[in-house]
Formats: sequence, C-alpha cells, structure tokens
Amino acid sequence: DTGVSQDPRHKITKRGQNVTFRCDPISEHNRLYWYRQTLGQGPEFLTYFQNEAQLEKSRLLSDRFSAERPKGSFSTLEIQRTEQGDSAMYLCASSLSDRDDYGYTFGSGTRLTVV
Amino acid sequence: SQQGEEDPQALSIQEGENATMNCSYKTSINNLQWYRQNSGRGLVHLILIRSNEREKHSGRLRVTLDTSKKSSSLLITASRAADTASYFCATSSGYALNFGKGTSLLVTP
Repeated sequence: DTGVSQDPRHKITKRGQNVTFRCDPISEHNRLYWYRQTLGQGPEFLTYFQNEAQLEKSRLLSDRFSAERPKGSFSTLEIQRTEQGDSAMYLCASSLSDRDDYGYTFGSGTRLTVV
Repeated sequence: SQQGEEDPQALSIQEGENATMNCSYKTSINNLQWYRQNSGRGLVHLILIRSNEREKHSGRLRVTLDTSKKSSSLLITASRAADTASYFCATSSGYALNFGKGTSLLVTP
C-alpha cells in the first residue's frame, strides 16, 4: 500500500462543466475526509466518511458538491456546474479510527482550475 | 471553519538555528496536531498532543500545549534546509480536523 492516491493530479475545466475526482485511501483506513485548500490558506474541511456512511458535511459543501464512498473503499467528489471560485486544491485524507496518534494520511491532492 | 491560528505567518532562519511556531485556538479540543506541507504537495503528519498532555517530543520536534491559554508551540531544533515548508496546526473537537492558515518556514544554508 503506497498511501492515499488521488486522481487526477491536475484538472482544467471550463466554467459550467462538471468534474469528478477520485480518492483511494489506505486500504485498512475506515475514515476518509475531503478538504479544500486555496493559496495561502490552510485546508478547509468539506466532508467525512466512516466506512460508506457520510457522517458530516461542512456548510462549504454547497448543493453543487456531492461525495460518495461506495462499499467503504474509494471515494469520489463531484462538482457540478463549476464556478471560478471552485478553483483550489482538493485534498483527500484517511485515518484509522482506533489509531488517532498517527493522525491523517493525506494524498497529494487534485488541483482544479476553472477557466 | 479555521479554528487554529499560527504565528508568525512567515519565518526565515539559517541552518542550525531553532524555529519556533505558535498556534492559538478558540474552543475545547480533544487533541492538537501539527502537519508539514511542502509546496504544492499534500500534508504530512508530524506529531499529535492530547488535551491532557503538556509536552511531547519526536526527534528534533518539541510540542507544548497550554489548554488554559488555548495555545501550542512547535519547536524544530537544529533546522535544516529540508525543513523549508509550511507548518499547520490542527485541532480536533469532533470528527474532523480544523486547520489554521499556517506558518511558512524558510531555512537558508
């Protein structure tokens, strides 16, 4: 297992288009998180899954955003009708619920540019 | 929401010097974590300190936590050029971590 993988690494899309990102967490990690990070800022929490259940969503996650984690394995984050303000780095992280001391393992992120 | 706030925003030191970064937060926490981020990359977990701990060490890292002042500090001793990165504190009070805006550290040879 090589860590958390995110695909694609970069995505350029035209305003109004839909985009979908994928995250493959560490296989034994039951918790999965999506964050968004803009230049000069820290990551902002978007949503959290425990296994396949989406347990928490930030109010940042407008109705244009949807996330899934079917079967508690990989996760997808879809943004519909993209806007220029959606341009950011989208980070995925995973963790194991009974190993809090290890913190989160982050992927390298997907950088979205909306033109 | 970003609960933690790091200070200073930017720090420039020479190799071999110590670097100290501070973090303040607003609400009760379960634990506080520090992460490092190299430019354009994901974050790497450095160290976690629980709310009932006051100090923790890991290699060249020393973290303190003062829950009465709602603050933490990260000390990197004998810094190296490879320590150049952004450092974030993150607080846990529920399911998710809340990150600050980070301290940008530059270590020059």
